[in-house]
Amino acid sequence: GAGVSQSPSNKVTEKGKDVELRCDPISGHTALYWYRQSLGQGLEFLIYFQGNSAPDKSGLPSDRFSAERTGGSVSTLTIQRTQQEDSAVYLCASSEGRGGYNEQFFGPGTRLTVL
Amino acid sequence: SQKIEQNSEALNIQEGKTATLTCNYTNYSPAYLQWYRQDPGRGPVFLLLIRENEKEKRKERLKVTFDTTLKQSLFHITASQPADSATYLCALDDPATGANNLFFGTGTRLTVIP
Repeated sequence: GAGVSQSPSNKVTEKGKDVELRCDPISGHTALYWYRQSLGQGLEFLIYFQGNSAPDKSGLPSDRFSAERTGGSVSTLTIQRTQQEDSAVYLCASSEGRGGYNEQFFGPGTRLTVL
Repeated sequence: SQKIEQNSEALNIQEGKTATLTCNYTNYSPAYLQWYRQDPGRGPVFLLLIRENEKEKRKERLKVTFDTTLKQSLFHITASQPADSATYLCALDDPATGANNLFFGTGTRLTVIP
């Protein structure tokens, strides 16, 4: 079946602009994660959705970052007033449920470049 | 919070040899520890999961060990092949925080030389 998809694959924007990144998880997966990966860095957790529960936003670096998950499926990560330090690859992952015992299925990522 | 260290950023080995990658953590022992493979321009792909009460897990040419006393996991690839060249990430949960997300290491880039 289809894996996790993300769009766009690449996004170049100017400093100060808003961007929206999209994630389509695997159908039936209740958990959805957003991560950020900067060059030479590990995956930085941003936000986690589980079913209809309130999301875990503890990893969001500032209030310029927000995310939604509509209908328990598609998710959108929004970065307002982008800064150059926001440049990174943004990865989305989904899993069957919460917790460290569930493997995560990752999308190919969106490479964001802020000029 | 949990600090995760993976040995050396890069590891080069000769084809046919066994590659051994190390993942060390500093704080609370995780209930679960996972290993992922990441190729350039792609998202990580799950390889193996090991539980805190398991000492070893195998899958084909892969073997993972978990030592909660040393706070360390070792990841072995036997009979390595050039196609095994990739970055390998360890990831673990943190029961102390009750978080449902995984914490990832920075990865070790493995190159298998033909």
